[in-house]
Amino acid sequence: AQTVTQSQPEMSVQEAETVTLSCTYDTSESDYYLFWYKQPPSRQMILVIRQEAYKQQNATENRFSVNFQKAAKSFSLKISDSQLGDAAMYFCASNDMRFGAGTRLTVKP
Amino acid sequence: GAVVSQHPSRVICKSGTSVKIECRSLDFQATTMFWYRQFPKQSLMLMATSNEGSKATYEQGVEKDKFLINHASLTLSTLTVTSAHPEDSSFYICSARVFWTSGGYNEQFFGPGTRLTVL
Repeated sequence: AQTVTQSQPEMSVQEAETVTLSCTYDTSESDYYLFWYKQPPSRQMILVIRQEAYKQQNATENRFSVNFQKAAKSFSLKISDSQLGDAAMYFCASNDMRFGAGTRLTVKP
Repeated sequence: GAVVSQHPSRVICKSGTSVKIECRSLDFQATTMFWYRQFPKQSLMLMATSNEGSKATYEQGVEKDKFLINHASLTLSTLTVTSAHPEDSSFYICSARVFWTSGGYNEQFFGPGTRLTVL
């Protein structure tokens, strides 16, 4: 089984600023996907971004981008120009859909 | 985008009774379905993975006789909590995986969750 670790239980960012959420993982697979999900108070899981391990280029989706360091098994999420609607729980997930402990992001106006 | 539904969204039952939760992929066929439970302010804990027509694979520590999973078709999976007790009260979430042949990749869609309260 793959393991995923998020070491930041809570993070806070000022509106319009940039914040980075950390995630490390462990896998024996050579090719795999990694994911960041957002869970707002409604508890509906929303896919934020997906990274394919064999792609060296970091994935980007509008204001969301990842810093994927395969050798270090690190997969951090950068949120640029933070908005109030970004406030939520963020979970990193492995290819076999196991989740990290989560990071609660607060956005201050 | 693709939609996954869960029914019921909320259920309250008496201790000792069984409760069935349905998970449906509404506009796609799911190769694999996953069941999670989530306690307040905690992460999603994977309970089991199921493929249509075969037995579910349970995570270590999850009682398969307690949490019965049936994956009868490519669009429906059910989780039955048997002889429920107050400690089974939790938020249960399913997700369905689909392989998009056009893009050559898997994608996962989550249901809205079911809140189970056992009195």
